[in-house]
Amino acid sequence: SQQGEEDPQALSIQEGENATMNCSYKTSINNLQWYRQNSGRGLVHLILIRSNEREKHSGRLRVTLDTSKKSSSLLITASRAADTASYFCVPSGNTGKLIFGQGTTLQVKP
Amino acid sequence: KAGVTQTPRYLIKTRGQQVTLSCSPISGHRSVSWYQQTPGQGLQFLFEYFSETQRNKGNFPGRFSGRQFSNSRSEMNVSTLELGDSALYLCASSGGQGYYNEQFFGPGTRLTVL
Repeated sequence: SQQGEEDPQALSIQEGENATMNCSYKTSINNLQWYRQNSGRGLVHLILIRSNEREKHSGRLRVTLDTSKKSSSLLITASRAADTASYFCVPSGNTGKLIFGQGTTLQVKP
Repeated sequence: KAGVTQTPRYLIKTRGQQVTLSCSPISGHRSVSWYQQTPGQGLQFLFEYFSETQRNKGNFPGRFSGRQFSNSRSEMNVSTLELGDSALYLCASSGGQGYYNEQFFGPGTRLTVL
């Protein structure tokens, strides 16, 4: 199945620092998506990177994808308390079935 | 555009009862997926509907069923409720015809089974 495994499971940083989360997966993919979930805004799509892309930016987010290593990373720069949430990487292939892992729980301390 | 809406937001049922949850996708979206989220199992895929047809199915028992209407609104039904069905049920809609698109999630329905 196409499930991402996020690492670390938990991350605690100070406001203003950068946060890096990693993701590994096992099968070939068409794209990889990152989602965020917190109690205030629910589950929100952050960014989608296609298999032929290596890096993508969106605001303070930077995502990389290395299909040869079957890995991805999400970098959040200049973190804010509002970034406190669980982050999920979701590799997707040729079905509409998204398989979520356990995610990385990020805590940003003010 | 209005986001994905789910009704009801909270529901309390007793074991053995059945429940129907509703999801209205973003206008123009034809794909609707359902997920179950529990503290122990995390987010698990239930099924996906596209143009009134079930396109994908997760590994849930037959007590869990769904359908999609011609206006893309979707319902899921759980029959003979068990305590373990207590969960947050999330619905997501997607705008593309293919499989490669981001999904937009609703706020969820919190189901408690007593």
